[in-house]
Amino acid sequence: EAQVTQNPRYLITVTGKKLTVTCSQNMNHEYMSWYRQDPGLGLRQIYYSMNVEVTDKGDVPEGYKVSRKEKRNFPLILESPSPNQTSLYFCASSPRLLGETQYFGPGTRLLVL
Amino acid sequence: QQPVQSPQAVILREGEDAVINCSSSKALYSVHWYRQKHGEAPVFLMILLKGGEQKGHEKISASFNEKKQQSSLYLTASQLSYSGTYFCGTEARSQGNLIFGKGTKLSVKP
Repeated sequence: EAQVTQNPRYLITVTGKKLTVTCSQNMNHEYMSWYRQDPGLGLRQIYYSMNVEVTDKGDVPEGYKVSRKEKRNFPLILESPSPNQTSLYFCASSPRLLGETQYFGPGTRLLVL
Repeated sequence: QQPVQSPQAVILREGEDAVINCSSSKALYSVHWYRQKHGEAPVFLMILLKGGEQKGHEKISASFNEKKQQSSLYLTASQLSYSGTYFCGTEARSQGNLIFGKGTKLSVKP
C-alpha cells in the first residue's frame, strides 16, 4: 500500500531532551516536506527536500533539523525541544517538483513539558 | 505572505453551494487545495498551475486568477461528507516552498 508513515504518533517529552520523528514513504517520491499545525495558524512548512541530500528551510525552521540521506526517509530532529514546539506535525511527499499531489502522513502529536 | 482565506467559516445545508477564496499578495506559480477532517491528515483536492485551466473534480472545482493572485474553490450541491476545514497552499515559484492559509471551516448540516 502506497503510504507515508510517521513514528511515533504521540510523544510526550521534557524541555531539552533531543528527539527524532521519523518519516518514510514507499512511493519513490523525490519531494518530501515537514509541516507543523497549530490552532488558528493553519499548516506551516518547516523544511522541505527536493531530492536526496537537498534540503531547504520553510517558513518556521528555527529549532529543527532534517536530513535526507535516502530517498524514502526524511527524519525531523529537535535537538533541544522547547514548549513552543508543542504541536501536531505532518510529513508529506510528492512525486517530483511540487506541482503534483502531495500525500500526507498520519501526523505526530508532540507535547513538550 | 501567508495567503488569506475567506470566509473563515461557513455553515451550509445539504445541497447548498459554497465558494471559498484564497488571496495572495505575491505572484503565484501554483495554488493547492486540501481538505482536512477533524483528527485526520489533510487530503489533496487539486492543484492549479499558472497558465492552467480551471480544474474540476465531481462537484468540486476551482479557478485561478493570475492577474489578481486569487483562487476560488467551488463546492456545489454540498454533501455531509464535504464538512471539514479547507486549506489553500500557495507556491510563488516552482521550488518547493508551500505556504498555507489559515483555513476555512465548512460545516454541512442535514
